[in-house]
Amino acid sequence: GAGVSQSPRYKVAKRGQDVALRCDPISGHVSLFWYQQALGQGPEFLTYFQNEAQLDKSGLPSDRFFAERPEGSVSTLKIQRTQQEDSAVYLCASSLEELGFSYNEQFFGPGTRLTVL
Amino acid sequence: QQQVKQSPQSLIVQKGGISIINCAYENTAFDYFPWYQQFPGKGPALLIAIRPDVSEKKEGRFTISFNKSAKQFSLHIMDSQPGDSATYFCAAALDRGSTLGRLYFGRGTQLTVWP
Repeated sequence: GAGVSQSPRYKVAKRGQDVALRCDPISGHVSLFWYQQALGQGPEFLTYFQNEAQLDKSGLPSDRFFAERPEGSVSTLKIQRTQQEDSAVYLCASSLEELGFSYNEQFFGPGTRLTVL
Repeated sequence: QQQVKQSPQSLIVQKGGISIINCAYENTAFDYFPWYQQFPGKGPALLIAIRPDVSEKKEGRFTISFNKSAKQFSLHIMDSQPGDSATYFCAAALDRGSTLGRLYFGRGTQLTVWP
């Protein structure tokens, strides 16, 4: 497919479990973003990658959240010891060029809905 | 702290009517203002975007009006259709010279267009 894909689409975790959410950006896109969208709210920025480099992780809510993009394409968002407040939709977006060069549209995936019981 | 404030939270419009959603921001370093449309179970999709060097941008039935001095911008949907029923988000981003290009989103407006 030509768009951003995310897996799994739905994840139910028991409190305290670790989860890993995957994002496949559009091929060739340099920039990759993760956002968290709570129910009834707008997306909130978590972290940004330019190729494999994580240039901004200021939005990660705690040290339980970790993201990586080791080869500059697929990215994984990992949440350790999940808590109920982690329940949200996690959105991944990719953009063709690196930030600072020009502003490019961010293309969003469908998200992963995480429910922590 | 909400960087972009959006209103109303919900909006009901009759088919053929005009839908108007308003947003306000504080950070004058923002220089890119997109509107996103989101259907249930889908990710946000870019609808239309504007930069502060113009006061209005129109694409089909969708128009953004931008007031730089008031730090406000709005989305107008003309001839609203039931298929426009979705959640709309305004957003803002820092200037393109910055590597901090995250989008700051408003809280969203749930638009319902009824026949």
